[in-house]
Amino acid sequence: AQTVTQSQPEMSVQEAETVTLSCTYDTSESNYYLFWYKQPPSRQMILVIRQEAYKQQNATENRFSVNFQKAAKSFSLKISDSQLGDTAMYFCAFLKGGGGADGLTFGKGTHLIIQP
Amino acid sequence: GAVVSQHPSWVICKSGTSVKIECRSLDFQATTMFWYRQFPKQSLMLMATSNEGSKATYEQGVEKDKFLINHASLTLSTLTVTSAHPEDSSFYICSAPRRGEGEQYFGPGTRLTVT
Repeated sequence: AQTVTQSQPEMSVQEAETVTLSCTYDTSESNYYLFWYKQPPSRQMILVIRQEAYKQQNATENRFSVNFQKAAKSFSLKISDSQLGDTAMYFCAFLKGGGGADGLTFGKGTHLIIQP
Repeated sequence: GAVVSQHPSWVICKSGTSVKIECRSLDFQATTMFWYRQFPKQSLMLMATSNEGSKATYEQGVEKDKFLINHASLTLSTLTVTSAHPEDSSFYICSAPRRGEGEQYFGPGTRLTVT
C-alpha cells in the first residue's frame, strides 16, 4: 500500500509571491503517477499538474511546476506569481500505473490562502 | 477534456431511508469508476472500485451491504446508501479513468445530508 503525506495543513502568502507546497510519498511500485489537485470552495477537483514517475524532467504548467525527487520520494508544488484565485485546498495524490484499475491515494491536503 | 457528471448535486434524506447517487461519463466509456468520500475539512478517501459487468471491490472498512454499487453500463455507475444514518452525511465524489490515460476525471460531487 502507498501513503501520501502533506505536512503543511495551511499556508498563507501575499499575492504575486511564490509558494511551495510539500508532499512526500511512500511506495514499493516502480510505475506510478503523481498529481496535484486543487479543490476550490465549489469542491470540484481540478487537476493542476501531473508527473509520470519514469520521467526525470519536472512537469510544468504555466505558473505551476513540481520538484520531483524520486529517490527521496518527494513531490513538491511551486506556484509562481500567486493569484487570489489560487486560494483553495491542494491535494497531492498517488496513482499506481498499469491501466486504470486503481484509485487515487490522497494526502490530507494543504489549505492555501492568497492574501491581497 | 473528459466530462464526468453526478446526480444529484445535493440530497437530504431521512434516517433509515436509502438514497441513490449516479455517476456518468459523458463523452467516454469507463469500464472502471471510483467512489470517494470526503468529510468536512478532510481529504478524499477511496471507498470502492466500480467495475462494469462485475462486482464492485470495496476498501477495507467500507460496508458493502450499506454502500451498494452497480455499474450497469460503460457510462454509468450508481452508489446507493442504504438505511442511511446521520453519520453517512458526507460529500461523495466519483471519478473515472479514460482508457490509455494515466489520469482520472472527477465528477462535481454529491452532498448527502441525513437528518
